[in-house]
Amino acid sequence: DTAVSQTPKYLVTQMGNDKSIKCEQNLGHDTMYWYKQDSKKFLKIMFSYNNKELIINETVPNRFSPKSPDKAHLNLHINSLELGDSAVYFCASSQVRGGGTDTQYFGPGTRLTVL
Amino acid sequence: TQLLEQSPQFLSIQEGENLTVYCNSSSVFSSLQWYRQEPGEGPVLLVTVVTGGEVKKLKRLTFQFGDARKDSSLHITAAQPGDTGLYLCAGADGGSNYKLTFGKGTLLTVNP
Repeated sequence: DTAVSQTPKYLVTQMGNDKSIKCEQNLGHDTMYWYKQDSKKFLKIMFSYNNKELIINETVPNRFSPKSPDKAHLNLHINSLELGDSAVYFCASSQVRGGGTDTQYFGPGTRLTVL
Repeated sequence: TQLLEQSPQFLSIQEGENLTVYCNSSSVFSSLQWYRQEPGEGPVLLVTVVTGGEVKKLKRLTFQFGDARKDSSLHITAAQPGDTGLYLCAGADGGSNYKLTFGKGTLLTVNP
């Protein structure tokens, strides 16, 4: 069983479109995250939810909107896609609130390409 | 904003060689983690260090947290092709949400 799964694995779309990426974890964790990894492999936190409550909201354009219907799911919706949104987006989860000494389990990533 | 600088950015070595990767910051971290990421996959946690001066070993990998908790190093002994990957350090700020700040990574290639 995959611990943290994301769909789709690859997403190719045109500028201006709206798209969603879904994430599910079956680890029973309370906290989930979205990260963006750019072409230089730099991994940066975007959002974090703890028990469906938004606890980390980095400086991200408001075209990005996370939604957590329950603590096992954290989806990412992106409006009006731009070329600069092309990246690999990783979902992750951890048992407790925050990633200080807790292990974050990452999904396989969604490679988004905006044309 | 806390920043983590990793060096070297790229490292290509022959099987059997030793190497050290560095992770430095001007900020103090409550804890520091090392992850390895293979192509097409997400990062996987290798180790967490918490105490200044702490040394942890994972088979041929040795991790050290600086005394001031501002830097860390990863030393690999007798590298193998299976060690190939992107090594990321990540520091936790110790705030209420323990946000992880990642370094830009060291891409290690071990040639057979």
